[in-house]
Amino acid sequence: GAVVSQHPSRVICKSGTSVKIECRSLDFQATTMFWYRQFPKQSLMLMATSNEGSKATYEQGVEKDKFLINHASLTLSTLTVTSAHPEDSSFYICSARSLIYGYTFGSGTRLTVV
Amino acid sequence: DAKTTQPTSMDCAEGRAANLPCNHSTISGNEYVYWYRQIHSQGPQYIIHGLKNNETNEMASLIITEDRKSSTLILPHATLRDTAVYYCIVRGNNAGNMLTFGGGTRLMVKP
Repeated sequence: GAVVSQHPSRVICKSGTSVKIECRSLDFQATTMFWYRQFPKQSLMLMATSNEGSKATYEQGVEKDKFLINHASLTLSTLTVTSAHPEDSSFYICSARSLIYGYTFGSGTRLTVV
Repeated sequence: DAKTTQPTSMDCAEGRAANLPCNHSTISGNEYVYWYRQIHSQGPQYIIHGLKNNETNEMASLIITEDRKSSTLILPHATLRDTAVYYCIVRGNNAGNMLTFGGGTRLMVKP
């Protein structure tokens, strides 16, 4: 079946620094990738949708200059949290969509900003 | 995409069937019902989906009412590893449609 690899699984960073999270579809090409954020005891909230080679579409309230998304190929999307602050601490999850496999999710990245 | 309503939490005894309900009274004709689950600190895992007919796979069965306004996910023999949050999602099949997650049902399987 389809596998989406998300890396790193856990990261701790200092306030003011940037963190990059990678999302790779391992054995298929993803037409679209999605980034979600999940705070403790809450549901997943969609942050942005990205298509290969074009600019990401951000959901209302998500700062595009703070959460930089690059989708350079059909198998790789990256999310960079710039100038991270403690309130950005959360569980970030990517999802890749393909015509064959539908939606496949990564295992998530737990970001802690100290 | 149509909104869904699920109970916040449910308990189930290990080895018994777990029946998780979902209401989606505003579902439209071309919208599918999807079920995902999320085990603690992991990404969501696909379980099953259907349009109007009942569906079964190795993980679960999906029963959709004739008017399609509600559905039930059935885990026939729940194990402790089935403890998770279960999300019922309704969406159309257009390429651009994302998955929108509601609150889900927190299923606790007890020994």
